[in-house]
Amino acid sequence: SSELTQDPAVSVALGQAVRITCQGDSLRSYYASWYQQKPGQAPVLVIYGKNNRPSGIPDRFSGSKSGNTASLTITGAQAEDEADYYCKSRDSSGDLFVFGTGTRVTVL
Amino acid sequence: QVQLVQSGAEVKKPGASVKVSCKASGYTFTIYDINWVRQATGQGLEWMGWMNPNSGSTGYAQRFQGRVTMTRNTSTSTAYMELSSLRSEDTAVYYCASVDYGDIDYWGQGTLVTVSS
Repeated sequence: SSELTQDPAVSVALGQAVRITCQGDSLRSYYASWYQQKPGQAPVLVIYGKNNRPSGIPDRFSGSKSGNTASLTITGAQAEDEADYYCKSRDSSGDLFVFGTGTRVTVL
Repeated sequence: QVQLVQSGAEVKKPGASVKVSCKASGYTFTIYDINWVRQATGQGLEWMGWMNPNSGSTGYAQRFQGRVTMTRNTSTSTAYMELSSLRSEDTAVYYCASVDYGDIDYWGQGTLVTVSS
């Protein structure tokens, strides 16, 4: 299967931690990248590879993987972290990509 | 600085084709792949395909096979995505992104394509 499944929505209290998960068979072979998207804006890469942050991404964002599940953790969530988050990984062929279904994060 | 500037909004009738352009600047166009991603209003991101601007090689998501064509003009550093046999479900914002599948990940501003009779 080439599908990546995410919980539709999660909420987190300001300053607390939240973990967003992404499940799919292809994750047994490939890492996920994670994107943050705010309304009306293009997505922004926040995690890639095993657990790497592009320049400018705060270190409160981290990634991990276990079996067929990839996770994005925001440690000490801030109001500006309220957004939609998408995982992306290669499909089973390894040549193509697929996005997860997306998770809306609300910071309370 | 790296910029990807996409063409303007389009309105097309069902059955027609649309060609969206993505002009790159601020880096050597041929060194990173171009990915195309779309997003219908209120929906998630949908990956459409990739193109290697150096070789012209492409890879398309299965659901778009036969309907999408990704090309480039290296002399103008411009990538193109053409989608044919448009239907209402193709109404979406279409994004190009210049990527190395690592930390290089630059996106265009998006192009709204509306399919309506």
